[in-house]
Amino acid sequence: QITLKESGPTLVKPTQTLTLTCTFSGFSLSTSGVGVGWIRQPPGKALEWLALIYWDDDKRYSPSLKSRLTITKDTSKNQVVLTMTNMDPVDTATYYCAHSTPVTPCFDYWGQGTLVTVSS
Amino acid sequence: QSALTQPASVSGSPGQSITISCTGTSSDVGGYNYVSWYQQHPGKAPKLMIYEVSNRPSGVPDRFSGSKSGNTASLTISGLQAEDEADYYCSSYTSSSTLYVFGTGTKVTVL
Repeated sequence: QITLKESGPTLVKPTQTLTLTCTFSGFSLSTSGVGVGWIRQPPGKALEWLALIYWDDDKRYSPSLKSRLTITKDTSKNQVVLTMTNMDPVDTATYYCAHSTPVTPCFDYWGQGTLVTVSS
Repeated sequence: QSALTQPASVSGSPGQSITISCTGTSSDVGGYNYVSWYQQHPGKAPKLMIYEVSNRPSGVPDRFSGSKSGNTASLTISGLQAEDEADYYCSSYTSSSTLYVFGTGTKVTVL
């Protein structure tokens, strides 16, 4: 059974750096083809893909946010960490991590999401 | 990379069929058979309903079906039920550096 759970601060100040951790179980990020991605959703708005890290440490980022994002993995801890620098109120959103299947590019398991508010 | 275009809302009565469109470009929807659809109930995480245009994961009712023609993909819900009322998002793999692009989302209302 695959599960994922996001953790991190619920409130950050403008210009601060956000660090979110995705802790997962039921799969290994050392298995060929597997990936973990981050997707966010501002209140009342659509989903936006942010970043993805694969089993071989290949990393992909949304071009519009690439300069602010870093994704890393700790295979031994079953965790993936996303950092986003220079936070702004427009970054207020629910942040989800999700499992990317090794068979086809899509997200088949999602965490419950964590709401991050950016405010002074 | 712009978001895929979906109608803001679609509605239908119980038992009816509805179709949600998802329009992209030849660099995403039209270029790959890697369109997926997600259902999202209020306050909940998205749930994968369709992958690779028309394949259903285990446990998804067969009244959910997907198709694609050119740069437009579609999700059809047949025999609409009250629990189908939710937001639906399409997504596509893309050849651009974006890798993934989501749709603008469609709110499905069961009348």
